[in-house]
Amino acid sequence: DAKTTQPPSMDCAEGRAANLPCNHSTISGNEYVYWYRQIHSQGPQYIIHGLKNNETNEMASLIITEDRKSSTLILPHATLRDTAVYYCIVRVGPSAGNTGKLIFGQGTTLQVKP
Amino acid sequence: NAGVMQNPRHLVRRRGQEARLRCSPMKGHSHVYWYRQLPEEGLKFMVYLQKENIIDESGMPKERFSAEFPKEGPSILRIQQVVRGDSAAYFCASSPVRTGGSGELFFGEGSRLTVL
Repeated sequence: DAKTTQPPSMDCAEGRAANLPCNHSTISGNEYVYWYRQIHSQGPQYIIHGLKNNETNEMASLIITEDRKSSTLILPHATLRDTAVYYCIVRVGPSAGNTGKLIFGQGTTLQVKP
Repeated sequence: NAGVMQNPRHLVRRRGQEARLRCSPMKGHSHVYWYRQLPEEGLKFMVYLQKENIIDESGMPKERFSAEFPKEGPSILRIQQVVRGDSAAYFCASSPVRTGGSGELFFGEGSRLTVL
């Protein structure tokens, strides 16, 4: 699976949009981009994933560049409860020998401030 | 629909004792993953199991650690002769199918092992 690079930490004002970047310049054509977050010591929580197109759900939006070498997770109106470590993960699609496991990096610690 | 259930949530063991951590996947899920998170560190993959089969144990320490997922009952992560370095949070995740590209893993709240 391709390696990802994220800034170690970011701050965001409560109520503002939080934009978390992720670089995955070695991503291959069948690799998806996943975002998870871990709120202080809890189990990781799935946020969103995408392959090529931008995606949006009730939690966030995922913007993937046209060359797929980077992406941005957007939390449109950050709240204090969004303070967490955010992980960007790339993973291959279904194929023989693919276990589906996620490999977590160090992630970005997002601190939402009042 | 209950989520992934892990127990115990907290476990204290003395050096040399055994620790058994249990994970009940979500209903309908037949794939289980175990992860370990050492204090102030990231999540590390340990093992991936399907019912009665270990599929990928590339992240398991070579000694003292074992995992199973029997036909009936929860998945068990077993640590024999625990040492202080085993103190960590152990997370279990489940998925309904082999989620190569779509779908996601659902994580439990973790079991926190403290070795005295």
